[in-house]
Amino acid sequence: NAGVTQTPKFRILKIGQSMTLQCAQDMNHNYMYWYRQDPGMGLKLIYYSVGAGITDKGEVPNGYNVSRSTTEDFPLRLELAAPSQTSVYFCASSQTGTGGYYGYTFGSGTRLTVV
Amino acid sequence: RKEVEQDPGPFNVPEGATVAFNCTYSNSASQSFFWYRQDCRKEPKLLMSVYSSGNEDGRFTAQLNRASQYISLLIRDSKLSDSATYLCVVLHSGGGADGLTFGKGTHLIIQP
Repeated sequence: NAGVTQTPKFRILKIGQSMTLQCAQDMNHNYMYWYRQDPGMGLKLIYYSVGAGITDKGEVPNGYNVSRSTTEDFPLRLELAAPSQTSVYFCASSQTGTGGYYGYTFGSGTRLTVV
Repeated sequence: RKEVEQDPGPFNVPEGATVAFNCTYSNSASQSFFWYRQDCRKEPKLLMSVYSSGNEDGRFTAQLNRASQYISLLIRDSKLSDSATYLCVVLHSGGGADGLTFGKGTHLIIQP
């Protein structure tokens, strides 16, 4: 069981470039999330989805976009990358909206540097 | 603003010792509480949920104090493999899928 798979693991972008961070889960979870984690900081929610075709903004959505065309996939799009978007990005999924007994399952993360 | 506060540490503890750390939360109506573990350069993983009556899982004990608005994590007979950052996570009242707040974490180092 793969769980949550994120690609790429590392990426260096130049200012103004765009990219898509991929996230896929094979647990048939309805809920999926994108977080960013800056050094010494707590995880911040960027976007989340409660099911295919439904997405909503989290705490720090500016500069990002998402889509959820299938239950399995939840890609995060960065348009016009800026140095402030240098961070570690985690995708997560859960069986219920609050994580419940099993909590959130996180992917291994994407380390993004914008230069 | 809904806050979750943790002592960042690091807590340097000899192997075999008992260590405890707390997490305070600002929203008195918070519903659910969790401890996650995050190893260096890895993803967070659920360690345990925190129930009102307190709960224990092997060497780990979690407690909730609603009156003082904090949760605690106690690790007994600490192992080298317990070295990690422990994240306090709180679900706020009425919060749905966007209702979780993650603390910045407490860094624990178990020394041989």
